[in-house]
Amino acid sequence: AQKITQTQPGMFVQEKEAVTLDCTYDTSDPSYGLFWYKQPSSGEMIFLIYQGSYDQQNATEGRYSLNFQKARKSANLVISASQLGDSAMYFCAITRQGANSKLTFGKGITLSVRP
Amino acid sequence: NAGVMQNPRHLVRRRGQEARLRCSPMKGHSHVYWYRQLPEEGLKFMVYLQKENIIDESGMPKERFSAEFPKEGPSILRIQQVVRGDSAAYFCASSPNRRGSAYEQYFGPGTRLTVT
Repeated sequence: AQKITQTQPGMFVQEKEAVTLDCTYDTSDPSYGLFWYKQPSSGEMIFLIYQGSYDQQNATEGRYSLNFQKARKSANLVISASQLGDSAMYFCAITRQGANSKLTFGKGITLSVRP
Repeated sequence: NAGVMQNPRHLVRRRGQEARLRCSPMKGHSHVYWYRQLPEEGLKFMVYLQKENIIDESGMPKERFSAEFPKEGPSILRIQQVVRGDSAAYFCASSPNRRGSAYEQYFGPGTRLTVT
């Protein structure tokens, strides 16, 4: 079984500053993938970043980077230079690598960017 | 190159009615996943289908819910005799028929079901 834990209360960040959103996971699978999705108030799920469990380097996508610490089972999302449009819910998810790639999501974190 | 399409985007049903939610995967994708998002919650996996086959339905409620993905046409999630607790956003995601493509799961915009 897989589990994602996101326990931070609503997060606030000043525009143009960096923010870290926490995610810890639990899995018995030797090979897995970790994802972050953004869900704005309009409701769609927007893929942000992916990290494979055997990737040697931390994933980066523009202003998003994933701080992957395998031994601690954490996969924190770092957003640099926050923008007002970053205000949204953020979900961390995990999947077993393989043919059935169903995602297990955490409960999400609300991020509000202040001007 | 259209993305994953879901319709309707919003659906209102009275208790006891049936709800049919449709998902058209991206062109060339033959894998479909359905997820449900209750208010203030993350998405929860319901069912995974390939064309004409249900691969994993471990997240489906035992009664009233069914899903199909026919050879032709969209995938359908069907909820019979809806109850207020079925009110949620239902998302589908599609992925290509390619091993090692775990990260290539593309989400549709979701269907918001409201049961009155």
